[in-house]
Amino acid sequence: GNSVTQMEGPVTLSEEAFLTINCTYTATGYPSLFWYVQYPGEGLQLLLKATKADDKGSNKGFEATYRKETTSFHLEKGSVQVSDSAVYFCALGGAGNNRKLIWGLGTSLAVNP
Amino acid sequence: NAGVTQTPKFQVLKTGQSMTLQCAQDMNHEYMSWYRQDPGMGLRLIHYSVGAGITDQGEVPNGYNVSRSTTEDFPLRLLSAAPSQTSVYFCASSPGTGTKRTNEKLFFGSGTQLSVL
Repeated sequence: GNSVTQMEGPVTLSEEAFLTINCTYTATGYPSLFWYVQYPGEGLQLLLKATKADDKGSNKGFEATYRKETTSFHLEKGSVQVSDSAVYFCALGGAGNNRKLIWGLGTSLAVNP
Repeated sequence: NAGVTQTPKFQVLKTGQSMTLQCAQDMNHEYMSWYRQDPGMGLRLIHYSVGAGITDQGEVPNGYNVSRSTTEDFPLRLLSAAPSQTSVYFCASSPGTGTKRTNEKLFFGSGTQLSVL
């Protein structure tokens, strides 16, 4: 079945460092891919998404490209800030009424000043 | 715009007690769902609803009941709480259903932290 594998954390970086959080997937068909972010004490919110191969989602300086050949959707940011400290979730979407996203386990990011 | 509102934010129960977690959204979303979040296990879908009067089970429905009498509200009921239900619970909603539409943006509430002693 469909699945998502996300790199384990925690990830600790210094401010202005480059960030990569790896996400790979297994799926039939052509699902949409998502990155959600959860700031401390809050619910998840959509960070970016891509709906087809070679699409690049971007938001708040974060980017991820839907790579069908490597079945990946890695999250990147060129220069992280302390305010980026959060847990990041990769998710795989599917068609149908149940909106049953398949979630990665989440990667915790801590950015130190 | 309030979005998705969950109450309470924190709750402590004793084993065997019952309670209802409230969820309300003011965005006229057809789809609503409940997740639980546990360390090392990510997010797991408990129950979901694609419209008023329609509910269905997710991955981990045992021990939980839901109902959807209005578009706005989707309460989650624990009939007899167990320590295994200690978790953080999130309600999420999404606009529209339709068999031809793919998954869309989920809007999450801020969560309810539940401890069952």
